[in-house]
Amino acid sequence: GAVVSQHPSWVICKSGTSVKIECRSLDFQATTMFWYRQFPKQSLMLMATSNEGSKATYEQGVEKDKFLINHASLTLSTLTVTSAHPEDSSFYICSARGQPDLFLHFGNGTRLTVT
Amino acid sequence: GQSLEQPSEVTAVEGAIVQINCTYQTSGFYGLSWYQQHDGGAPTFLSYNGLDGLEETGRFSSFLSRSDSYGYLLLQELQMKDSASYFCAVSKGDTGRRALTFGSGTRLQVQP
Repeated sequence: GAVVSQHPSWVICKSGTSVKIECRSLDFQATTMFWYRQFPKQSLMLMATSNEGSKATYEQGVEKDKFLINHASLTLSTLTVTSAHPEDSSFYICSARGQPDLFLHFGNGTRLTVT
Repeated sequence: GQSLEQPSEVTAVEGAIVQINCTYQTSGFYGLSWYQQHDGGAPTFLSYNGLDGLEETGRFSSFLSRSDSYGYLLLQELQMKDSASYFCAVSKGDTGRRALTFGSGTRLQVQP
């Protein structure tokens, strides 16, 4: 299995509000999921590793209190951007390693615009 | 840590062949992956090389030389729809099951 679904595909929110993004593995179980962020014309930057049943591991420079990650089941991880600001506007993409190929597969991404 | 270098842009014409190079530095090597990303879309997996040599998948091939820390993606019979960004990537961390670290990407423009 290798299908990763992400929702919503785009969202516009006002500054100061929170936004939740869902990432689901549809045809396989993912004990680990990865959250990336991509600014226009730039590469994908890893934000955090989401671990089912335990705390997420954040990359250096990523605020864990701002980007809340919850991996409550083997098929669902959520990223909540709290108190969003315009500089948080970006393309957020989740991913997971498929089974049995173990290659990294991506959801369709969520384009967040904070006004 | 990991670092990858690839050209920022490549331009080619329809029907031609183009090669996108990637050099990497990483502690602990678990293969080189290639992804395609169209504007506004998510990355899609293209190819993976765990061992030296050439892997072929239709019009796309990927090559790896571990001794040179070098690989390339070869696209043949270019089509307009191949216009996209292409990223090489290596596994982050001490196993092959971790996240990937991506290169800066090569923007391919296919012209008629």
